[in-house]
Parts: sequence; structure tokens; C-alpha cells
Amino acid sequence: NAGVTQTPKFRILKIGQSMTLQCTQDMNHNYMYWYRQDPGMGLKLIYYSVGAGITDKGEVPNGYNVSRSTTEDFPLRLELAAPSQTSVYFCASSLAGKQFFGPGTRLTVL
Amino acid sequence: ELKVEQNPLFLSMQEGKNYTIYCNYSTTSDRLYWYRQDPGKSLESLFVLLSNGAVKQEGRLMASLDTKARLSTLHITAAVHDLSATYFCAVDNGMDSNYQLIWGAGTKLIIKP
Repeated sequence: NAGVTQTPKFRILKIGQSMTLQCTQDMNHNYMYWYRQDPGMGLKLIYYSVGAGITDKGEVPNGYNVSRSTTEDFPLRLELAAPSQTSVYFCASSLAGKQFFGPGTRLTVL
Repeated sequence: ELKVEQNPLFLSMQEGKNYTIYCNYSTTSDRLYWYRQDPGKSLESLFVLLSNGAVKQEGRLMASLDTKARLSTLHITAAVHDLSATYFCAVDNGMDSNYQLIWGAGTKLIIKP
């Protein structure tokens, strides 16, 4: 099992550009999450999903959007990137509360 | 609103010493998680604590949960350099939370040879 995979690993965006961060898991978990981690800080929940077709906002959803068309995939869309979105983004899936994390995407917005 | 506080936020210690990291949270919860993060890496699950009085041990690390005090501790025994990392606690945000976790800010642990 690959677990949770994320692409790309690194990306630099210009202000106002858009992009999609990809997340895939092969553990058949219903619950999936997107977090951002700013330097020296803990994780902040952006969006989460409890199954295909069902998504909901977390603590910091502004400037982001998600979709969940399959159990495996949970992409995160950034529209009109801003410098405040410079961060490391982690995707996770969960089984009974225990979360399994992807390797992260390091995003810089200049 | 659930808040999670860890202390200390930074800890530098010598190999062979013992120390404890504390995780306090502000509202009732019975589920608490400890994770480890190495620099530039992802997060790895260490312990899942699901009830009052739960104690889990793995190697030189031992975690416990006191839900009445809203406190979890992560105890390090006879620290070794390989345990240098940032340790996060995370607390489940309640019965209907869909396993949403609220995270502490992390404790950066440096163990010197």
C-alpha cells in the first residue's frame, strides 16, 4: 500500500494564479482532511470529507475549495493565490480517528 | 471552542535524561493523539489514547491521558538523539466532530549527545 500520496512536492505560484493540490489514498478510508502548517506552528484544518460527495469546511477554508468524487481522491483547489497561502499543505485520511498523513506539498506564493 | 496547549514549546536536553511534555485542552474530550514530525517531513502517529487513565508505551516514550484534568503527558525516559523531533498532541473536537482534531503548537525537542 502506498498510503496517502500528494502531488506536487513543491510549487511556486505567482499572486493571482490558481492550482490544484492532489491527494490520493489507497486504504479505503472514508474520512479525509486537508491541513496547512505554517512555520513553527501546529496544523490548521482547511476542509474535510466524510465520504465521496460530502465535504465540509474546517477552521480556515477561505481561499480554498475541495471536491470528493471518489473515496480515493480529495483534491484541494487554490483560487487567486495570495502570499498568505504560503505554507506546507498536508492531506490525511483517517480510520477511527487515527490519521495517516501524506508527505506534504510546500507552496510558496510570490 | 476547544483549545489545545502544549508546554514547553521548545526543549533542549542531554542524552540519558528524563523529561515530560504536557498537553492541556479546554473542553471535554475522550480522544487524544500524539504525533511525531521530523524536520521537513510528514507526521507519524505515535499514540492513540481513547479513555481516562489510558497509558501507552513504545520504547522510551510513554503517553497518558487524564480526561478529568484535561491533561495528557508524553514522558521520555533516558533520552537518545534519535528522539529529536517535534511532538504534537491533537484532541478530538467532540462527539459529532467527524474525527476533526484540534492541534497543539508542537514541542520541538532537541537531544544533545
